[in-house]
Amino acid sequence: EAGVAQSPRYKIIEKRQSVAFWCNPISGHATLYWYQQILGQGPKLLIQFQNNGVVDDSQLPKDRFSAERLKGVDSTLKIQPAKLEDSAVYLCATVEGRGGLDTQYFGPGTRLTVL
Amino acid sequence: AQTVTQSQPEMSVQEAETVTLSCTYDTSESDYYLFWYKQPPSRQMILVIRQEAYKQQNATENRFSVNFQKAAKSFSLKISDSQLGDAAMYFCAYRPNTGTASKLTFGTGTRLQVTL
Repeated sequence: EAGVAQSPRYKIIEKRQSVAFWCNPISGHATLYWYQQILGQGPKLLIQFQNNGVVDDSQLPKDRFSAERLKGVDSTLKIQPAKLEDSAVYLCATVEGRGGLDTQYFGPGTRLTVL
Repeated sequence: AQTVTQSQPEMSVQEAETVTLSCTYDTSESDYYLFWYKQPPSRQMILVIRQEAYKQQNATENRFSVNFQKAAKSFSLKISDSQLGDAAMYFCAYRPNTGTASKLTFGTGTRLQVTL
């Protein structure tokens, strides 16, 4: 089966610019997560979707970050405006069920560099 | 708040030898899951092994096994017969079994080097 797809793989922008990341989950996976992984750290959850509804966005900096999952399939994560500290790898992960012991399948990530 | 601690930033093992990666966690929950994920250089993160907290038996997956000590809140990963392909970042992760909104909390990772 095809894995989680993410694009672009790399992005370099200047601070205060906008950027968007795209994630296409494994077919049929209802739960989708966006993580931020800063160099040298573990992934930190930004937002969790169940189908097209937000389950947890408590750690999403809502003044600059936004995310949507239209029709419960693809998802986009946007940063506007970007700050230097947003430089990180943004990971998308999906799960077939509702979490628990279910395996999270990760995409390859988008490496963002903010200059 | 739950926290996951990996106290070994880097570890090294010779090919065919055994290595143990440490992980401790802090939680007030009694029902939860623990995971080890592997992240090879420039490749995506994959699940290595998982453990349900209510199961006393330690999980094993081929050359990978865990030592789960619930009272000590310790969850170490043992890699036997290490191979060059095991070189990667390894992340310990925790998830409480509290329903749909439960999220994974990751440690800071251990970089494993495998030498000839």
